[in-house]
Amino acid sequence: DVKVTQSSRYLVKRTGEKVFLECVQDMDHENMFWYRQDPGLGLRLIYFSYDVKMKEKGDIPEGYSVSREKKERFSLILESTSTNQTSMYLCASSSSDLVTSSYEQYFGPGTRLTVT
Amino acid sequence: GENVEQHPSTLSVQEGDSAVIKCTYSDSASNYFPWYKQELGKRPQLIIDIRSNVGEKKDQRIAVTLNKTAKHFSLHITETQPEDSAVYFCAASIRSSGDKLTFGTGTRLAVRP
Repeated sequence: DVKVTQSSRYLVKRTGEKVFLECVQDMDHENMFWYRQDPGLGLRLIYFSYDVKMKEKGDIPEGYSVSREKKERFSLILESTSTNQTSMYLCASSSSDLVTSSYEQYFGPGTRLTVT
Repeated sequence: GENVEQHPSTLSVQEGDSAVIKCTYSDSASNYFPWYKQELGKRPQLIIDIRSNVGEKKDQRIAVTLNKTAKHFSLHITETQPEDSAVYFCAASIRSSGDKLTFGTGTRLAVRP
């Protein structure tokens, strides 16, 4: 059973503070993703990674960076938070094996970040 | 890039009735179309998906149809039950690009007992 965990369920930060969100998956998945979820906007991709030390920008990368030093771990970094980064942040992972694996993305429980 | 539009944004049905959610996509190269269900306070979970070489797929009370020519796909839920109440997201992907999904904006389905 795939397990994706996130370091925090709730965070409250002040404007300008640095935030570090960590995601860990235990299924040896190659692909990992960071989304933010806002009412009426659905799930929007911030960054994704196909492999260790590899990263690709998603649809809304501005104000965010990521790090993937180990296969099972993908971190989202907000260097200097702003109020418009208040959101639910979801991590996901999936396998890149096109032959034998499901295409499914497995999501973590989410981190609700509030920036005041 | 890919753009996915989803309608309606909210849907209320009587228990036992059918519910239909529709999505359109812009990139004709997209070849994989999953649907995710997110119950209140929980993480999204895949409920059904369809690949571009198939026109329809069923799994018990849920079915998905795909019209590649018109670039739209739909989720059909029959005999709705209160536990079907959730937010449903459609998505589209070009599978060879490594799983990058573009999601629709979601449909909040309420099933009235």
